[in-house]
Amino acid sequence: QKEVEQNSGPLSVPEGAIASLNCTYSDRGSQSFFWYRQYSGKSPELIMFIYSNGDKEDGRFTAQLNKASQYVSLLIRDSQPSDSATYLCAFPGYSSASKIIFGSGTRLSIRP
Amino acid sequence: DVKVTQSSRYLVKRTGEKVFLECVQDMDHENMFWYRQDPGLGLRLIYFSYDVKMKEKGDIPEGYSVSREKKERFSLILESASTNQTSMYLCASSPGNQPQHFGDGTRLSIL
Repeated sequence: QKEVEQNSGPLSVPEGAIASLNCTYSDRGSQSFFWYRQYSGKSPELIMFIYSNGDKEDGRFTAQLNKASQYVSLLIRDSQPSDSATYLCAFPGYSSASKIIFGSGTRLSIRP
Repeated sequence: DVKVTQSSRYLVKRTGEKVFLECVQDMDHENMFWYRQDPGLGLRLIYFSYDVKMKEKGDIPEGYSVSREKKERFSLILESASTNQTSMYLCASSPGNQPQHFGDGTRLSIL
């Protein structure tokens, strides 16, 4: 089983709608989770991190963590064309806390 | 603001050449990383370093080596470049097990 699974997409969402991106992970001991956004041809950029169960909101972005279900999600409200990118979820590796395990990413496309 | 600087955005080299990719961070981070990213394959860790002169192999270290003589600088070396090493190379740094911050990347072409 892969350590982290993401649907590769593309996920197509109309402008102004809510985009929901999901990630499941295999390491029950994981304590923190990160969401990165990567525009085509650019490097990943950290946009959210969450350490505890529940929701964390930052502007139009909400990260949701459910440790019992080993599930983390990212909601983007009022989606804009500028949100079109690949979104990577990630968490610290158990074999070495310095390493981060990245998902393969979900490609999001916001259609006008 | 964290700044991770990679020496080149684009680089073209020939097969068999020894290639150096340089990365510098200005936040005194302990950890530094080198990844390559290819379409459909996601981010793959080549090497990482958690301290000066310390290094650990990542998932795909074959054909690469690294050097970390100073805390702020982490170099990736392609000992004898091959065409299958054509890729986007990304350097990152982090303090402890905190999120990583990436440089802009180097798009390397091996002809």
